[in-house]
Amino acid sequence: EPEVTQTPSHQVTQMGQEVILHCVPISNHLYFYWYRQILGQKVEFLVSFYNNEISEKSEIFDDQFSVERPDGSNFTLKIRSTKLEDSAMYFCASRGTELTDTQYFGPGTRLTVL
Amino acid sequence: RKEVEQDPGPFNVPEGATVAFNCTYSNSASQSFFWYRQDCRKEPKLLMSVYSSGNEDGRFTAQLNRASQYISLLIRDSKLSDSATYLCVVVKAAGNKLTFGGGTRVLVKP
Repeated sequence: EPEVTQTPSHQVTQMGQEVILHCVPISNHLYFYWYRQILGQKVEFLVSFYNNEISEKSEIFDDQFSVERPDGSNFTLKIRSTKLEDSAMYFCASRGTELTDTQYFGPGTRLTVL
Repeated sequence: RKEVEQDPGPFNVPEGATVAFNCTYSNSASQSFFWYRQDCRKEPKLLMSVYSSGNEDGRFTAQLNRASQYISLLIRDSKLSDSATYLCVVVKAAGNKLTFGGGTRVLVKP
């Protein structure tokens, strides 16, 4: 069964450093998302991406965040200057077409900012 | 009022028993509803979509009440493997982001 993959599974970084989280959505899916979950809290939407541009972003997704689809398979989330409060699980998700609202999640990247 | 609200639990359930819990949502224009399951420190996994007519998938039954703006999940004949956090998810408009509730924790005990 096709699945969303994410790398790395765990990323440790120093405050102020840049990190790039990698995702490979399900092949042939057209819509891509990033969510985050701070430990003990609910899953929160960050950004959605379609047709090579951001279609919606939350207030969490400020100028320190960016997304990119550098080729036909990868979808990345970059945090330019990490803060302690960026420590969380980051989940990538993908959705097939406009005919469904179902999103499939990757296993997540645990980001720890020291 | 929170967009999607759930009783955090935990619901302690004897193996083989039935457990049910609800989720309320604030936006009456919401159009799609889901239950996801999340195991500790893992990704949310789709359990089932929720339809207006109610739907069943094996031991799981989901209901939607648009008038009162809540959805429910019932688990029959609970298994130890049903222990997880159940996430209520709402989509306001086609193709939009998923809005998650805080989750209801279920612990099935022998």
